[in-house]
Amino acid sequence: DAGITQSPRHKVTETGTPVTLRCHQTENHRYMYWYRQDPGHGLRLIHYSYGVKDTDKGEVSDGYSVSRSKTEDFLLTLESATSSQTSVYFCAISEGAPDTQYFGPGTRLTVL
Amino acid sequence: KNEVEQSPQNLTAQEGEFITINCSYSVGISALHWLQQHPGGGIVSLFMLSSGKKKHGRLIATINIQEKHSSLHITASHPRDSAVYICAVTYSGGGADGLTFGKGTHLIIQP
Repeated sequence: DAGITQSPRHKVTETGTPVTLRCHQTENHRYMYWYRQDPGHGLRLIHYSYGVKDTDKGEVSDGYSVSRSKTEDFLLTLESATSSQTSVYFCAISEGAPDTQYFGPGTRLTVL
Repeated sequence: KNEVEQSPQNLTAQEGEFITINCSYSVGISALHWLQQHPGGGIVSLFMLSSGKKKHGRLIATINIQEKHSSLHITASHPRDSAVYICAVTYSGGGADGLTFGKGTHLIIQP
């Protein structure tokens, strides 16, 4: 299995609070992605990174920001969490693009 | 809007049956992916293909670029194949290298 971890795995927070999710990889892959998965919508791309400090927006980027200061870490920040951001968040990595993507175990976020 | 459509949405079959899940997409792609997600579990990539056919064990994936259609087949299905199967594409052109997903096919194999 690809070495990819996400933290925390579960989080409950309140509306209006900032939240940061971390994705960490040990594969030295160039590309990293954040997706969210919701019933009725499936998986959707939030942001992606194609190198250190190189990021771009995906389909559902409003309300989210990302940072990648090291190859191995890709952070997703909700500046002021809302209930609509309650979801399961998956990080994925790939060596190239297009290429096979390897997914992390997911983070279940609940915003009350 | 670029869309990925899967059918059927739900499929229940008996152990040993031959399973087919279909995926269609609307515009040109550079690659198509089949993924598997077990209940409460993570997501595993099964195949990435841009032409022809790939086989891994009892799983076979095919793609017809001209018809913008792909199929995932499972031979000699087993209860452990019960999962959600997700089709996803990487579109040609545009700026995003991420995947665009179908809504998944929920497969149940009964013993």
